[in-house]
Amino acid sequence: DAMVIQNPRYQVTQFGKPVTLSCSQTLNHNVMYWYQQKSSQAPKLLFHYYDKDFNNEADTPDNFQSRRPNTSFCFLDIRSPGLGDAAMYLCATRGTALNTGELFFGEGSRLTVL
Amino acid sequence: KNQVEQSPQSLIILEGKNCTLQCNYTVSPFSNLRWYKQDTGRGPVSLTIMTFSENTKSNGRYTATLDADTKQSSLHITASQLSDSASYICVVVVGGSQGNLIFGKGTKLSVKP
Repeated sequence: DAMVIQNPRYQVTQFGKPVTLSCSQTLNHNVMYWYQQKSSQAPKLLFHYYDKDFNNEADTPDNFQSRRPNTSFCFLDIRSPGLGDAAMYLCATRGTALNTGELFFGEGSRLTVL
Repeated sequence: KNQVEQSPQSLIILEGKNCTLQCNYTVSPFSNLRWYKQDTGRGPVSLTIMTFSENTKSNGRYTATLDADTKQSSLHITASQLSDSASYICVVVVGGSQGNLIFGKGTKLSVKP
């Protein structure tokens, strides 16, 4: 059974039209990550939560926001998507043992911007 | 600067053949190294985690090696199958409380019949 679930799997939006991607987990993990992955590139960390503590990467554009209302759910909001934001967005979770804990990824949400 | 380099960038092999993927890293301090398989359009799935003291670890037809002295790791796939076609990503965890993850760009493997 899937332990990290992302919705929707595919999202098509128009230039500038806000989008929300969701991630839920059944692992009760403390840490949740959002990555952006473009074709043939490594996943790029946008931000992560350690419990309710939000950690933004320095080069993540302000256009990207996140919310974590409870342990199980985390949302990625793209306020005004541009063509360059078309990518696969991956959610991942990890337990408290950050060094050794296994990282579990969702199946990803592929965003297309028209 | 912490970096993970993978080679080759892409690889095509015939079904049934073996192959080896390489990962070189310059990450300090080092905690552990992970190999992930990512099917096209899907999320990465863990294959193996290797700590400093582990030289070899197998998971079915996948065997990972780690040489902490030369900072190199390899992933060997035996008797390849069509379902092995995927990207293989090497990830190194930085030592310390944050456990930051450094991703390689991956090797795209295509297994042909």
